[in-house]
Amino acid sequence: QGQLVQSGAEVKKPGASVKVSCKASGDTFNSYDINWVRQATGQGLEWMGWMNFNSGNTGYAQKFQGRVTMTRSTSISTAYMELSSLRSEDTAVYYCAGRYCTGTSCFWFDPWGQGTLVTVSS
Amino acid sequence: DIVMTQSPDSLAVSLGERATINCKSSQTVLYSSNNKNYLAWYQQKPGHPPKLLIYWASTRESGVPDRFSGSGSGTDFTLTISSLQAEDVAVYYCQQYYSTPLTFGQGTRLEIK
Repeated sequence: QGQLVQSGAEVKKPGASVKVSCKASGDTFNSYDINWVRQATGQGLEWMGWMNFNSGNTGYAQKFQGRVTMTRSTSISTAYMELSSLRSEDTAVYYCAGRYCTGTSCFWFDPWGQGTLVTVSS
Repeated sequence: DIVMTQSPDSLAVSLGERATINCKSSQTVLYSSNNKNYLAWYQQKPGHPPKLLIYWASTRESGVPDRFSGSGSGTDFTLTISSLQAEDVAVYYCQQYYSTPLTFGQGTRLEIK
């Protein structure tokens, strides 16, 4: 099965932006959406949005509209999530996760990246 | 938005005993055209990403031990571990993929009694 490998931990100041990468390997992700899910320390899972790896089409959770941008580079099989105007509440582990799609339907999250810790601190 | 509510928030079960976790959605996740429930269960251990256990509410992912089972339909779902093993200590999440925004339950922490 395909794997997703994420970039390393980041430390950012409030107001800055962060860009996390998610490289797909071992399988074709042409039929997958790449989603981003975050988890603050000791907290639950929060879905941020999706991007179709083939078309580049995106959809964002309302909470993150205007602050998040999901892109990809097909030549290197890598997806990116950029979050701007960072605040302390954005400190979390950010996961990319694939969802297999057929037609207009997409399904459960599998596989998952290993996670990237983003710390926002002055 | 579909709100997913799990119960209990935490659970302590003796080794070898049954563990039951419930998940309720604020609206149906049963898609009438194919009669499938768009509901998945995940297991998360500290320092690791969630791991898919169950999809379509009751289909076990390949490689998942058969002591894990999922049941339910519509708005009420259950994850059952028939005989708890030490390695099952984790936080368990339900998640609906019926509609966006995709939403998770708040998680249930499972410990050994």
